[in-house]
Amino acid sequence: DGGITQSPKYLFRKEGQNVTLSCEQNLNHDAMYWYRQDPGQGLRLIYYSQIVNDFQKGDIAEGYSVSREKKESFPLTVTSAQKNPTAFYLCASRKLIQANTGELFFGEGSRLTVL
Amino acid sequence: QKEVEQNSGPLSVPEGAIASLNCTYSDRVSQSFFWYRQYSGKSPELIMSIYSNGDKEDGRFTAQLNKASQYVSLLIRDSQPSDSATYLCAVIGRASKLTFGTGTRLQVTL
Repeated sequence: DGGITQSPKYLFRKEGQNVTLSCEQNLNHDAMYWYRQDPGQGLRLIYYSQIVNDFQKGDIAEGYSVSREKKESFPLTVTSAQKNPTAFYLCASRKLIQANTGELFFGEGSRLTVL
Repeated sequence: QKEVEQNSGPLSVPEGAIASLNCTYSDRVSQSFFWYRQYSGKSPELIMSIYSNGDKEDGRFTAQLNKASQYVSLLIRDSQPSDSATYLCAVIGRASKLTFGTGTRLQVTL
Protein backbone atom coordinates (compact mmCIF):
# COMPACT_ATOMS: atom_id res chain seq x y z
CA ASP A 1 0.00 0.00 0.00
CA GLY A 2 1.21 3.51 -0.80
CA GLY A 3 1.62 5.94 2.02
CA ILE A 4 3.79 7.91 4.38
CA THR A 5 5.41 6.09 7.28
CA GLN A 6 6.70 7.91 10.32
CA SER A 7 8.67 6.25 13.07
CA PRO A 8 8.80 5.97 15.95
CA LYS A 9 5.22 6.79 16.88
CA TYR A 10 6.19 7.66 20.45
CA LEU A 11 9.63 8.72 21.61
CA PHE A 12 11.03 9.78 24.95
CA ARG A 13 14.31 11.60 25.24
CA LYS A 14 16.39 13.12 27.96
CA GLU A 15 17.34 16.76 27.83
CA GLY A 16 20.55 17.35 25.89
CA GLN A 17 20.10 14.40 23.56
CA ASN A 18 19.62 14.59 19.82
CA VAL A 19 16.90 12.45 18.30
CA THR A 20 16.06 11.61 14.69
CA LEU A 21 12.52 11.08 13.43
CA SER A 22 12.11 8.99 10.33
CA CYS A 23 9.78 9.76 7.42
CA GLU A 24 9.50 7.52 4.36
CA GLN A 25 7.02 7.77 1.48
CA ASN A 26 6.37 5.42 -1.44
CA LEU A 27 3.95 7.70 -3.26
CA ASN A 28 6.59 9.04 -5.64
CA HIS A 29 5.89 12.50 -4.28
CA ASP A 30 8.34 15.28 -5.05
CA ALA A 31 8.00 17.53 -2.03
CA MET A 32 8.21 16.60 1.64
CA TYR A 33 7.46 18.66 4.73
CA TRP A 34 7.94 18.58 8.49
CA TYR A 35 5.49 20.31 10.81
CA ARG A 36 5.32 20.66 14.54
CA GLN A 37 2.04 20.83 16.47
CA ASP A 38 1.71 21.85 20.09
CA PRO A 39 -1.44 21.10 22.14
CA GLY A 40 -4.42 23.13 20.96
CA GLN A 41 -2.40 24.81 18.24
CA GLY A 42 -2.06 24.66 14.48
CA LEU A 43 0.77 23.26 12.40
CA ARG A 44 4.01 25.18 12.17
CA LEU A 45 6.43 24.49 9.32
CA ILE A 46 9.92 23.39 10.30
CA TYR A 47 11.57 22.43 7.01
CA TYR A 48 10.51 21.40 3.54
CA SER A 49 12.14 19.98 0.44
CA GLN A 50 11.03 20.07 -3.17
CA ILE A 51 13.83 17.98 -4.68
CA VAL A 52 16.60 15.65 -3.58
CA ASN A 53 19.60 17.32 -1.95
CA ASP A 54 17.75 20.60 -1.47
CA PHE A 55 15.61 21.90 1.37
CA GLN A 56 14.34 25.20 2.76
CA LYS A 57 13.82 26.47 6.28
CA GLY A 58 10.28 26.97 7.43
CA ASP A 59 9.05 29.28 10.15
CA ILE A 60 10.61 27.48 13.14
CA ALA A 61 13.79 25.79 11.84
CA GLU A 62 16.05 26.70 14.77
CA GLY A 63 17.18 23.62 16.69
CA TYR A 64 16.25 21.22 13.88
CA SER A 65 18.09 19.73 10.92
CA VAL A 66 17.04 17.65 7.92
CA SER A 67 18.49 15.82 4.95
CA ARG A 68 17.05 14.72 1.61
CA GLU A 69 19.46 12.19 0.16
CA LYS A 70 16.70 10.11 -1.42
CA LYS A 71 13.36 11.12 -2.89
CA GLU A 72 11.55 8.73 -0.54
CA SER A 73 13.14 9.83 2.70
CA PHE A 74 13.20 13.07 4.72
CA PRO A 75 14.46 12.48 8.28
CA LEU A 76 14.25 15.21 10.91
CA THR A 77 16.80 15.58 13.70
CA VAL A 78 15.72 17.40 16.83
CA THR A 79 18.92 18.71 18.35
CA SER A 80 19.72 19.65 21.92
CA ALA A 81 19.57 23.29 20.77
CA GLN A 82 15.79 23.07 20.45
CA LYS A 83 14.51 24.65 23.65
CA ASN A 84 11.04 23.08 23.86
CA PRO A 85 11.09 19.92 21.75
CA THR A 86 8.10 18.16 23.34
CA ALA A 87 5.46 18.17 20.58
CA PHE A 88 3.63 16.17 17.95
CA TYR A 89 5.68 16.02 14.74
CA LEU A 90 3.99 15.50 11.39
CA CYS A 91 5.64 14.58 8.12
CA ALA A 92 3.81 15.18 4.87
CA SER A 93 4.40 14.93 1.14
CA ARG A 94 2.83 15.99 -2.13
CA LYS A 95 3.22 15.66 -5.86
CA LEU A 96 4.23 18.86 -7.63
CA ILE A 97 1.77 18.56 -10.50
CA GLN A 98 2.09 22.08 -11.80
CA ALA A 99 2.86 25.41 -10.22
CA ASN A 100 1.73 25.17 -6.63
CA THR A 101 -0.92 22.48 -6.97
CA GLY A 102 -0.98 19.04 -5.43
CA GLU A 103 -2.60 18.09 -2.16
CA LEU A 104 -0.55 17.39 0.94
CA PHE A 105 -0.84 13.99 2.58
CA PHE A 106 0.29 13.24 6.13
CA GLY A 107 1.89 10.42 8.03
CA GLU A 108 0.45 9.37 11.38
CA GLY A 109 2.84 11.54 13.35
CA SER A 110 5.54 11.07 15.97
CA ARG A 111 4.97 12.23 19.52
CA LEU A 112 8.20 13.33 21.20
CA THR A 113 8.40 13.85 24.94
CA VAL A 114 11.47 15.27 26.63
CA LEU A 115 11.89 14.09 30.20
CA GLN B 1 0.05 39.86 10.15
CA LYS B 2 -0.21 36.07 10.13
CA GLU B 3 0.06 34.39 6.76
CA VAL B 4 -3.11 32.35 7.31
CA GLU B 5 -5.72 33.33 9.89
CA GLN B 6 -8.64 31.41 11.31
CA ASN B 7 -10.95 31.97 14.25
CA SER B 8 -9.94 29.39 16.86
CA GLY B 9 -13.53 28.83 18.06
CA PRO B 10 -15.04 26.72 19.36
CA LEU B 11 -17.80 27.07 16.81
CA SER B 12 -20.88 25.32 18.12
CA VAL B 13 -23.71 24.31 15.77
CA PRO B 14 -26.71 22.03 16.34
CA GLU B 15 -26.96 18.73 14.50
CA GLY B 16 -28.43 19.21 11.03
CA ALA B 17 -27.40 22.87 10.76
CA ILE B 18 -24.86 24.46 8.42
CA ALA B 19 -21.40 25.10 9.83
CA SER B 20 -19.45 27.95 8.23
CA LEU B 21 -15.68 28.07 8.68
CA ASN B 22 -13.61 31.00 7.47
CA CYS B 23 -9.98 31.64 6.59
CA THR B 24 -8.05 34.66 5.33
CA TYR B 25 -4.55 34.74 3.88
CA SER B 26 -2.02 37.50 3.37
CA ASP B 27 0.01 36.53 0.29
CA ARG B 28 -1.75 37.65 -2.90
CA VAL B 29 0.26 35.24 -5.08
CA SER B 30 -1.19 32.20 -3.29
CA GLN B 31 -2.84 29.88 -5.76
CA SER B 32 -3.84 26.70 -3.95
CA PHE B 33 -6.05 26.31 -0.90
CA PHE B 34 -6.98 23.30 1.18
CA TRP B 35 -9.21 22.35 4.06
CA TYR B 36 -8.16 19.59 6.43
CA ARG B 37 -10.02 17.94 9.29
CA GLN B 38 -8.10 16.81 12.36
CA TYR B 39 -9.45 14.70 15.17
CA SER B 40 -7.74 14.95 18.54
CA GLY B 41 -4.44 13.07 18.60
CA LYS B 42 -4.62 12.20 14.89
CA SER B 43 -2.98 13.57 11.78
CA PRO B 44 -4.91 15.91 9.46
CA GLU B 45 -6.92 14.46 6.60
CA LEU B 46 -7.74 16.33 3.41
CA ILE B 47 -11.36 17.34 2.90
CA MET B 48 -11.28 19.79 0.00
CA SER B 49 -8.91 21.54 -2.34
CA ILE B 50 -9.79 24.65 -4.35
CA TYR B 51 -7.71 26.51 -6.91
CA SER B 52 -10.02 28.97 -8.68
CA ASN B 53 -12.53 31.59 -7.59
CA GLY B 54 -16.03 30.42 -6.84
CA ASP B 55 -17.58 27.41 -5.18
CA LYS B 56 -16.58 23.75 -5.21
CA GLU B 57 -18.95 21.16 -3.83
CA ASP B 58 -18.25 17.63 -2.64
CA GLY B 59 -21.09 15.90 -0.85
CA ARG B 60 -21.99 17.88 2.27
CA PHE B 61 -18.92 20.09 1.92
CA THR B 62 -18.60 23.30 -0.13
CA ALA B 63 -15.39 25.29 -0.40
CA GLN B 64 -15.59 28.93 -1.49
CA LEU B 65 -12.66 31.01 -2.73
CA ASN B 66 -12.46 34.75 -3.29
CA LYS B 67 -8.94 35.71 -4.32
CA ALA B 68 -9.73 39.43 -4.54
CA SER B 69 -10.71 39.43 -0.87
CA GLN B 70 -8.07 36.81 0.03
CA TYR B 71 -10.72 34.71 1.67
CA VAL B 72 -11.56 31.02 1.61
CA SER B 73 -14.36 29.30 3.46
CA LEU B 74 -15.78 25.84 4.11
CA LEU B 75 -19.47 25.12 4.52
CA ILE B 76 -20.63 21.86 6.07
CA ARG B 77 -24.29 21.12 5.43
CA ASP B 78 -26.40 18.83 7.62
CA SER B 79 -23.71 18.84 10.32
CA GLN B 80 -23.26 15.56 12.18
CA PRO B 81 -21.68 14.86 15.57
CA SER B 82 -18.90 13.04 13.69
CA ASP B 83 -17.99 16.37 12.08
CA SER B 84 -16.81 17.62 15.49
CA ALA B 85 -13.11 18.20 14.97
CA THR B 86 -10.59 20.93 14.29
CA TYR B 87 -10.62 22.27 10.73
CA LEU B 88 -7.36 23.58 9.33
CA CYS B 89 -7.03 25.93 6.40
CA ALA B 90 -3.82 25.59 4.35
CA VAL B 91 -2.39 27.79 1.63
CA ILE B 92 0.44 27.24 -0.86
CA GLY B 93 2.41 30.43 -1.33
CA ARG B 94 5.79 31.32 -2.73
CA ALA B 95 8.33 28.54 -3.43
CA SER B 96 5.78 25.84 -2.61
CA LYS B 97 5.70 26.84 1.04
CA LEU B 98 2.55 25.36 2.52
CA THR B 99 1.27 27.27 5.55
CA PHE B 100 -1.53 26.30 7.90
CA GLY B 101 -3.85 28.41 9.99
CA THR B 102 -4.22 27.65 13.69
CA GLY B 103 -7.49 25.82 13.06
CA THR B 104 -11.12 26.25 14.08
CA ARG B 105 -12.61 23.79 16.54
CA LEU B 106 -16.11 22.74 15.52
CA GLN B 107 -18.58 21.23 17.98
CA VAL B 108 -21.79 19.73 16.63
CA THR B 109 -24.32 19.40 19.41
CA LEU B 110 -27.20 16.92 19.63
